[in-house]
Amino acid sequence: AAGVIQSPRHLIKEKRETATLKCYPIPRHDTVYWYQQGPGQDPQFLISFYEKMQSDKGSIPDRFSAQQFSDYHSELNMSSLELGDSALYFCASSRTGQGQHEQFFGPGTRLTVL
Amino acid sequence: GESVGLHLPTLSVQEGDNSIINCAYSNSASDYFIWYKQESGKGPQFIIDIRSNMDKRQGQRVTVLLNKTVKHLSLQIAATQPGDSAVYFCAEKELSWGKLQFGAGTQVVVTP
Repeated sequence: AAGVIQSPRHLIKEKRETATLKCYPIPRHDTVYWYQQGPGQDPQFLISFYEKMQSDKGSIPDRFSAQQFSDYHSELNMSSLELGDSALYFCASSRTGQGQHEQFFGPGTRLTVL
Repeated sequence: GESVGLHLPTLSVQEGDNSIINCAYSNSASDYFIWYKQESGKGPQFIIDIRSNMDKRQGQRVTVLLNKTVKHLSLQIAATQPGDSAVYFCAEKELSWGKLQFGAGTQVVVTP
């Protein structure tokens, strides 16, 4: 079965640089969620999109932005990177309606800011 | 062995024994409660969920119990296997399509 695809899997950036993380949801899933997981921490919700519109926003810094495109893939854009942005970034997707609500997580992108 | 709460981050269990992982949640408005398993270097994997109008749900080798009175959730794993070694997170959400609010994880270590 197809799963959530994230790219790149690993990313190393310098402080103040920018980064773009990509997420390809499971086919026919209409909702995408982004989570940030610091070392030894639980995942923290950043932002979500339903049918290409932002549906909810969590603790996402103003330096970050995201969008969902017509093909339902999503990108998380991160600017002015800080050391504290080093974390695992997970994308999850789900299909709303018909009682289905399970969020399926991708393998994550490990971002290291030096 | 039995976890006595999330202040105990590691649960060591002998292979074949039953595991119990506990979680306290805070949002009375949460309607869904979910357990995720996360292996090292991987994304969280759905195990089982329960809706707020239920107090017990069983899956394959797993049982989730919900006590809304004390806002407590537990995951029981029967006959724990080495492949069950992972970090387990409880999560809650208000809406079926809503964001997940994760609790602190519990590291489960299965010893032979």
